[in-house]
Amino acid sequence: KQEVTQIPAALSVPEGENLVLNCSFTDSAIYNLQWFRQDPGKGLTSLLLIQSSQREQTSGRLNASLDKSSGRSTLYIAASQPGDSATYLCAVILYSSASKIIFGSGTRLSIRP
Amino acid sequence: NAGVMQNPRHLVRRRGQEARLRCSPMKGHSHVYWYRQLPEEGLKFMVYLQKENIIDESGMPKERFSAEFPKEGPSILRIQQVVRGDSAAYFCASSPDPTSLYEQYFGPGTRLTVT
Repeated sequence: KQEVTQIPAALSVPEGENLVLNCSFTDSAIYNLQWFRQDPGKGLTSLLLIQSSQREQTSGRLNASLDKSSGRSTLYIAASQPGDSATYLCAVILYSSASKIIFGSGTRLSIRP
Repeated sequence: NAGVMQNPRHLVRRRGQEARLRCSPMKGHSHVYWYRQLPEEGLKFMVYLQKENIIDESGMPKERFSAEFPKEGPSILRIQQVVRGDSAAYFCASSPDPTSLYEQYFGPGTRLTVT
């Protein structure tokens, strides 16, 4: 059974720091991995999607990497800003069950001004 | 192209009442997925539907919950005889045909509160 774990559960850093959020998954037979952002009481915003054949994706100050063999992904946020404060969710889709996304429980990020 | 739409955004029901949550997929999307986010928990898959068919309902509670996606109109998630434990955020997502990249696009969610 696929499990997606995110560490840490919560993180607070001062503005301007670079930071890394971690995600691990137990089943390496994934179709893709996706990072989402969720603001309190709001929906999900897709940040980056990495296909299983890819190693990383970049969008602005965000960079996501994927290492299928070790079952790990990282989300790197450069030069953090207070507006980056949100919960970040890691999610995978398996080859064996491409209809459902399996989510981690998220990292709650707070950027202090 | 409008995104995935869900309504209502907030729904309050008393115990024992019925809740109906609606989801309109993005234009051109024929696949709909429902997820539930319980308080302080992660999102969990509930059901996957194509037009007029339930494809995967492995995440649906066995009783009181049902879903449909008719030929015309939005997808409906129906909860009968709601209980306090049904209070959660319910998210709908849609995707194009499965020959695409499997990316699902999420709606803003419906927050159900059972009093």
